[in-house]
Amino acid sequence: AQSVTQPDIHITVSEGASLELRCNYSYGATPYLFWYVQSPGQGLQLLLKYFSGDTLVQGIKGFEAEFKRSQSSFNLRKPSVHWSDAAEYFCAVEGNAGNMLTFGGGTRLMVKP
Amino acid sequence: KAGVTQTPRYLIKTRGQQVTLSCSPISGHRSVSWYQQTPGQGLQFLFEYFSETQRNKGNFPGRFSGRQFSNSRSEMNVSTLELGDSALYLCASSLIGGEGDTQYFGPGTRLTVL
Repeated sequence: AQSVTQPDIHITVSEGASLELRCNYSYGATPYLFWYVQSPGQGLQLLLKYFSGDTLVQGIKGFEAEFKRSQSSFNLRKPSVHWSDAAEYFCAVEGNAGNMLTFGGGTRLMVKP
Repeated sequence: KAGVTQTPRYLIKTRGQQVTLSCSPISGHRSVSWYQQTPGQGLQFLFEYFSETQRNKGNFPGRFSGRQFSNSRSEMNVSTLELGDSALYLCASSLIGGEGDTQYFGPGTRLTVL
């Protein structure tokens, strides 16, 4: 069965600093990987997804993620964080049953002024 | 295009009652999935419907059920509510629910069981 681990439960960065959120997955085949963001009281918004091809994926709001098969990782990065990026971030892998996502526990990002 | 809508947004029930939540997918989307989000268990897959048929099911008791209508709208039902059913219930829609098909989430229904 697939699984996703987000090792950092909370991360605090200063506004303007760079950001990297870690995600490790366990899956037997080539994974479909996703990053979603959730603001308080809201649903999940898709930031980016990886299916195949180029291992560096660009998303919305200036985010990017790099797929590293050898490390089973799909880390999310942003070069300069804005206060509005404060939210909870979820990494997910799509299971072999098709439309079933398995999520990591999430990383809550706080941004210091 | 309008996004995924869920009604109601907030609900308060007491133990033993039952509840029905509704989800309208993005126009043209035929697959609807449901997820439960709690502080303790995180985000967990409940079930997925496509063409009015349940296609996938997560590891939840039979008290949790759902259905999908011919217009792709979906409802989920929880019978005999327990305190542990308090959660944010998220609905997501996708075109056909195939491999790699992106799921778009609604704002959720916050259920509180007293």
